Amino acid sequence: DAGVIQSPRHEVTEMGQEVTLRCKPISGHDYLFWYRQTMMRGLELLIYFNNNVPIDDSGMPEDRFSAKMPNASFSTLKIQPSEPRDSAVYFCASSLLPGLDGTGELFFGEGSRLTVL
Amino acid sequence: AQTVTQSQPEMSVQEAETVTLSCTYDTSESDYYLFWYKQPPSRQMILVIRQEAYKQQNATENRFSVNFQKAAKSFSLKISDSQLGDAAMYFCAWTSNTGNQFYFGTGTSLTVIP
Repeated sequence: DAGVIQSPRHEVTEMGQEVTLRCKPISGHDYLFWYRQTMMRGLELLIYFNNNVPIDDSGMPEDRFSAKMPNASFSTLKIQPSEPRDSAVYFCASSLLPGLDGTGELFFGEGSRLTVL
Repeated sequence: AQTVTQSQPEMSVQEAETVTLSCTYDTSESDYYLFWYKQPPSRQMILVIRQEAYKQQNATENRFSVNFQKAAKSFSLKISDSQLGDAAMYFCAWTSNTGNQFYFGTGTSLTVIP
């Protein structure tokens, strides 16, 4: 498997614009997580899905953020409108329930670096 | 609530020497998994080592080993024969046996001195 695939790798946009980040999890994984990483706040869990259903979105900072998982192989994180404080690296990660493959490991994508000017 | 604490924001080690990174966690669960992830400047998060809480034997992966003290809720990472490529941010992480929550520490930045 190619691993977790995220796009774009880098995004530079202007304040007020809509940003859409994309993620393809590892095939067969039933959990998908979106994290945000900044120097100030470290790794923050934004939302996670189980079998395409959002389970916990309490980490989503505000209504400007939304995430969807229309099928098992695709998820999006959308920011509308974007603000400079949204600048961060956004990671998508997927995992398989511990015991099914025995690892419980979280597999990360390479991240999407977002800069909002 | 589960928490993961890394009390060392920065550490340094001489090349070929040994360094230990500390991690403590808090949970009321008895069955869980612990991980150390490495994040080099490329920012890719890479699994270094994992430990199942029900196993008493400490996990080992080549030059990396852990000291897992379940009663003390401590999970330290030892890197032996440190190499320049070990320089990175290291994150300690916890997940339950349901795998539906991962808690990360704030990270330890490791510098390897030639």
